[in-house]
Amino acid sequence: EAQVTQNPRYLITVTGKKLTVTCSQNMNHEYMSWYRQDPGLGLRQIYYSMNVEVTDKGDVPEGYKVSRKEKRNFPLILESPSPNQTSLYFCASTRQGEAGANVLTFGAGSRLTVL
Amino acid sequence: GQNIDQPTEMTATEGAIVQINCTYQTSGFNGLFWYQQHAGEAPTFLSYNVLDGLEEKGRFSSFLSRSKGYSYLLLKELQMKDSASYLCAVCRLMEYGNKLVFGAGTILRVKS
Repeated sequence: EAQVTQNPRYLITVTGKKLTVTCSQNMNHEYMSWYRQDPGLGLRQIYYSMNVEVTDKGDVPEGYKVSRKEKRNFPLILESPSPNQTSLYFCASTRQGEAGANVLTFGAGSRLTVL
Repeated sequence: GQNIDQPTEMTATEGAIVQINCTYQTSGFNGLFWYQQHAGEAPTFLSYNVLDGLEEKGRFSSFLSRSKGYSYLLLKELQMKDSASYLCAVCRLMEYGNKLVFGAGTILRVKS
């Protein structure tokens, strides 16, 4: 089954304790992206990757890091989490190349709480 | 930059028709998406418009006017399961490829 898999789905952590949210897709998609979703603000892009070893900042990158060493994986790293990073996180992927018709496939989401 | 506006909440009755509007201002416009998101779940694709006009897909239709920076999603014969958030997303053609920018979403409540 074609899918984007995120882990963990739920996590409660404390300020400053490094954590990684994994994301893996099995569709051979070039493009992958991380979003956070907060009430009233919609989905905001954190980082994206056009292909292996090609990553760039989205609209809200502060406090996050990513890497893209393999095509299928795109982990999101919070080096020193803070309470304002409490949010619902989504990873998504799509093919690149077809102008405009890049339908994103989303993972199930990771709900993160930083105390 | 970009600006995407859609109503925060709407309520409609089962069996009725509802129209969810989305207005946008953006550069490099390369199409508009509608996604549906049930509470606590991932967004799922509903429709994509790049040319002006109406696209119909079963009970759901989506309309686009590029000159007016306006789109709407029309849901007919509403069912309780249509209670969800509906996200308008504008596709922008950037130097590196396409970028999707989401509106804040419209929460639709369907009542019996």
